[in-house]
Amino acid sequence: AQSVTQPDIHITVSEGASLELRCNYSYGATPYLFWYVQSPGQGLQLLLKYFSGDTLVQGIKGFEAEFKRSQSSFNLRKPSVHWSDAAEYFCAVGGSYNTDKLIFGTGTRLQVFP
Amino acid sequence: AAGVIQSPRHLIKEKRETATLKCYPIPRHDTVYWYQQGPGQDPQFLISFYEKMQSDKGSIPDRFSAQQFSDYHSELNMSSLELGDSALYFCASSSRLTSNEQFFGPGTRLTVL
Repeated sequence: AQSVTQPDIHITVSEGASLELRCNYSYGATPYLFWYVQSPGQGLQLLLKYFSGDTLVQGIKGFEAEFKRSQSSFNLRKPSVHWSDAAEYFCAVGGSYNTDKLIFGTGTRLQVFP
Repeated sequence: AAGVIQSPRHLIKEKRETATLKCYPIPRHDTVYWYQQGPGQDPQFLISFYEKMQSDKGSIPDRFSAQQFSDYHSELNMSSLELGDSALYFCASSSRLTSNEQFFGPGTRLTVL
């Protein structure tokens, strides 16, 4: 069955520190992988996506993610966190055909201290 | 650039009432998805439509129904509302011809009292 696991429910970092949010997936075929960010009461904003090709993907707001097939992982990273990055982060997996639904992980809440 | 439009943005209903949520996809997008996000939960897929036909179905209660119209907008109809239906309902759209990316609307927050 398709699933996404985000092991960290809540992460707290200091502003300026580096960040890595973990995501592991289970999918029968080659997955399409996504990271979304959601501020409280707001919609979902796409940070980055991986379909194929280079396994290191650059996104918006200085985020990047690396697809590791051997580890079934798609971890999100940022070298220096800003206070405005505080939000909920969702990893999602979709099918190989673009009409397939997205399956989301349970999310990681990021808190940033000054 | 045009985005996905959802209306209303907020909706308050009583138990056992009905609610209709509307979604207007990005122009020339042919696929619409509906997701439900309960408080503190991740978004859960409800149903999707491609070219006005249902293409996939998730954990959508029988009390809910949806359709996509000739102008590609979609409506989610919810009857006999329960307290547990209180959630943020997202619509997303995509195009089979361009990319595999779903573009999300701002959501409709439904509160059932």
